[in-house]
Amino acid sequence: NAGVTQTPKFRVLKTGQSMTLLCAQDMNHEYMYWYRQDPGMGLRLIHYSVGEGTTAKGEVPDGYNVSRLKKQNFLLGLESAAPSQTSVYFCASSERGLAERPDTQYFGPGTRLTVL
Amino acid sequence: EDKVVQSPLSLVVHEGDTVTLNCSYEVTNFRSLLWYKQEKKAPTFLFMLTSSGIEKKSGRLSSILDKKELFSILNITATQTGDSAVYLCAVGSLTASGSRLTFGEGTQLTVNP
Repeated sequence: NAGVTQTPKFRVLKTGQSMTLLCAQDMNHEYMYWYRQDPGMGLRLIHYSVGEGTTAKGEVPDGYNVSRLKKQNFLLGLESAAPSQTSVYFCASSERGLAERPDTQYFGPGTRLTVL
Repeated sequence: EDKVVQSPLSLVVHEGDTVTLNCSYEVTNFRSLLWYKQEKKAPTFLFMLTSSGIEKKSGRLSSILDKKELFSILNITATQTGDSAVYLCAVGSLTASGSRLTFGEGTQLTVNP
């Protein structure tokens, strides 16, 4: 089992460029999440999905879009990158919902994104 | 607005010391409190607490929750250099838009030999 994997590990963008971050999990989890982690801010939820074909907004969704066309993949898109989106992005998946079993949430290794 | 505050933000100790990390919270519809250890990469799960006064223990680490005073502590005894990490506290809650985890900003623990 690879668990949760993220691609790419690092990326540098110029303001206005677009990119897609890919998250994949092989644990057959229904729930998937995208977080960002900034110094002094903890992890904040961007978007999440409760199953294939579903997405929902989290705490800081502006400037991002997501898609969950396949159960094992959750894509995070930046259509027009801004310096404020410089951050470390973590994907996670869980077997059950966060209200029921948040301890089943597993995190990917992270993607460090810099927007110049 | 839900809030999770950790203290101290940073702590430097010597091997063998005992440390106590604090987490206080203000959330509506509390469901659980979780502790994670984050080294260079992804956070890894340590404990989940849902009931007051019941200590969870794993080796040299232990944690307890006080739902009346709205805080939790994470204790690490006989610290080792491998304990150096950021320790994150997160609170699970149920909101109108669904369940969520609210994270604190973390405590950076450095254990020197």
